[in-house]
Amino acid sequence: GAGVSQTPSNKVTEKGKYVELRCDPISGHTALYWYRQSLGQGPEFLIYFQGTGAADDSGLPNDRFFAVRPEGSVSTLKIQRTERGDSAVYLCASSSGGRGTYQETQYFGPGTRLLVL
Amino acid sequence: SQQGEEDPQALSIQEGENATMNCSYKTSINNLQWYRQNSGRGLVHLILIRSNEREKHSGRLRVTLDTSKKSSSLLITASRAADTASYFCATATYSGAGSYQLTFGKGTKLSVIP
Repeated sequence: GAGVSQTPSNKVTEKGKYVELRCDPISGHTALYWYRQSLGQGPEFLIYFQGTGAADDSGLPNDRFFAVRPEGSVSTLKIQRTERGDSAVYLCASSSGGRGTYQETQYFGPGTRLLVL
Repeated sequence: SQQGEEDPQALSIQEGENATMNCSYKTSINNLQWYRQNSGRGLVHLILIRSNEREKHSGRLRVTLDTSKKSSSLLITASRAADTASYFCATATYSGAGSYQLTFGKGTKLSVIP
């Protein structure tokens, strides 16, 4: 089946604006993750959903960041009052959850490159 | 915060040579995964090794894990120009509700010269 998809591929916005980034996970995957990757760094965990609920949001940097997954499938990462430091690639991943090599593997989307001017 | 530290940060080799990348980490893990990333976009999963495994193979990839030293290595044999990419190790710890949180290192940038 199709992999994880993310839209838009690129987003340019001005400082102070609001942005929404969308992630469509692999069909049937109950676990969904958001990561942020700055230039020259590895991805850093932001938030994890199991079904519709945010099971772990400890990686969100501050209250300007918020994510939802209302029907347990598509997720939206929302950033309010964007700052230049928010510029990064935002990656989404999904997994089927549970034990086992396949279940524990996270499958990543192509990412959204956010540039805040 | 990033737990894994890859070594070297950059590696340049000739096509056909073997490439070895190392990863060290700090805390206990459930498994360790290696990913490849081209041009700073999506990550491609390469291989997963569990904490009770010592070595795993997949095609031209060989991964080792030494939990006593908290380190792992990724060996790519007979490298090809298409292997040029950044390689990341990610340690997985159980985060409850049936899922695992990944903590990535900064990556090794591999260049394979034709």
